[in-house]
Amino acid sequence: DAGVTQSPTHLIKTRGQQVTLRCSPKSGHDTVSWYQQALGQGPQFIFQYYEEEERQRGNFPDRFSGHQFPNYSSELNVNALLLGDSALYLCASSVGAGHNNEQYFGPGTRLTVT
Amino acid sequence: SQQGEEDPQALSIQEGENATMNCSYKTSINNLQWYRQNSGRGLVHLILIRSNEREKHSGRLRVTLDTSKKSSSLLITASRAADTASYFCATNQGAQKLVFGQGTRLTINP
Repeated sequence: DAGVTQSPTHLIKTRGQQVTLRCSPKSGHDTVSWYQQALGQGPQFIFQYYEEEERQRGNFPDRFSGHQFPNYSSELNVNALLLGDSALYLCASSVGAGHNNEQYFGPGTRLTVT
Repeated sequence: SQQGEEDPQALSIQEGENATMNCSYKTSINNLQWYRQNSGRGLVHLILIRSNEREKHSGRLRVTLDTSKKSSSLLITASRAADTASYFCATNQGAQKLVFGQGTRLTINP
């Protein structure tokens, strides 16, 4: 049973560029959440997708957008990259929109903006 | 801003000793979850405790929750070198949005 997978593992981009990160949820999971983790900090919630719609959003600008596909996989897009966007981007999957469901995290994508 | 605060920020103990980490939060929660992270990689889910539970065990892990004090603790008994990692508490305030603290960096010395 495959867990949460993310691609790519590492990515280097230049300021102003755009980036797309991908996530495949754990088998049987239909909800995907994205988190940003700066070095030495805890993860911060970006947004969550369920039934192909953004259900919740954290305190992130509109440069951060996402998408969920019918197979429940998801993409995170960041436009007009800033140096401060350098971080580990984590995807988490879970079942439904219940309040007490465990979230399973992928290995993350390390984004470096130069 | 982050909801939870872990204490201590860093902890170094000898192998075989017990490690205790604490977490405080600010608002009402549905549940609280503890995660482990090795070397800045993905988070591994350790345990979930619901707001109506006071204590939960899983192997060498023991988690307590005191909603009146808005605090939780994670106890790792008989620590091993492989337990060296960062530990995070995360509160679920509804609809699965997790709010994380800054974590405790645990080092187990052989």
